[in-house]
Amino acid sequence: NAGVTQTPKFQVLKTGQSMTLQCAQDMNHEYMSWYRQDPGMGLRLIHYSVGAGITDQGEVPNGYNVSRSTTEDFPLRLLSAAPSQTSVYFCASSYSGDRGNSPLHFGNGTRLTVT
Amino acid sequence: GNSVTQMEGPVTLSEEAFLTINCTYTATGYPSLFWYVQYPGEGLQLLLKATKADDKGSNKGFEATYRKETTSFHLEKGSVQVSDSAVYFCALIGPHNAGGTSYGKLTFGQGTILTVHP
Repeated sequence: NAGVTQTPKFQVLKTGQSMTLQCAQDMNHEYMSWYRQDPGMGLRLIHYSVGAGITDQGEVPNGYNVSRSTTEDFPLRLLSAAPSQTSVYFCASSYSGDRGNSPLHFGNGTRLTVT
Repeated sequence: GNSVTQMEGPVTLSEEAFLTINCTYTATGYPSLFWYVQYPGEGLQLLLKATKADDKGSNKGFEATYRKETTSFHLEKGSVQVSDSAVYFCALIGPHNAGGTSYGKLTFGQGTILTVHP
């Protein structure tokens, strides 16, 4: 099993450019989410989805869009990149059972730099 | 809202030393508690978890006990190895309402960098 696959691994953008970070999982998990990791701040939830066609905002959603057209894929879109979005982005998925206690499976991350 | 506070790092130890990484939390009700580990260049992996008060989670020689009275979930290992060098994150989900779920919406601490020297 590939688990959670994120692409690209690295990306450099100029301010104002747009891009999509890809995330795919092959574990048939209903729940998927995006986090950003910044030094000294741990991971913060950007958006999440509890199933195909359903998305919701996390702690830091501004500047990001998501969609969930299939169970497997959960892309994260930056519409107009800003230097404050320089970060490492992680996609994660989990089984939706066990009342949310199922462990999250993380991808290896995308390191984004906005200049 | 929920919050998690971890001890400041980085932590540097010699091989076979005893490890403690402190974690305290703020949440209403009864959250579930987790420790995740991140090795260099990788995503986070679940290390251990505890879902109710007085539960002890354990894995790979690491242990943590859910202490409701002190709102703590400290990570311990009796003898660390060089291969334990990583970033460790304490996290919580919840609290859970009757019949409800938080669907993996974790709240993370800021992470503690552990370096173990031979």
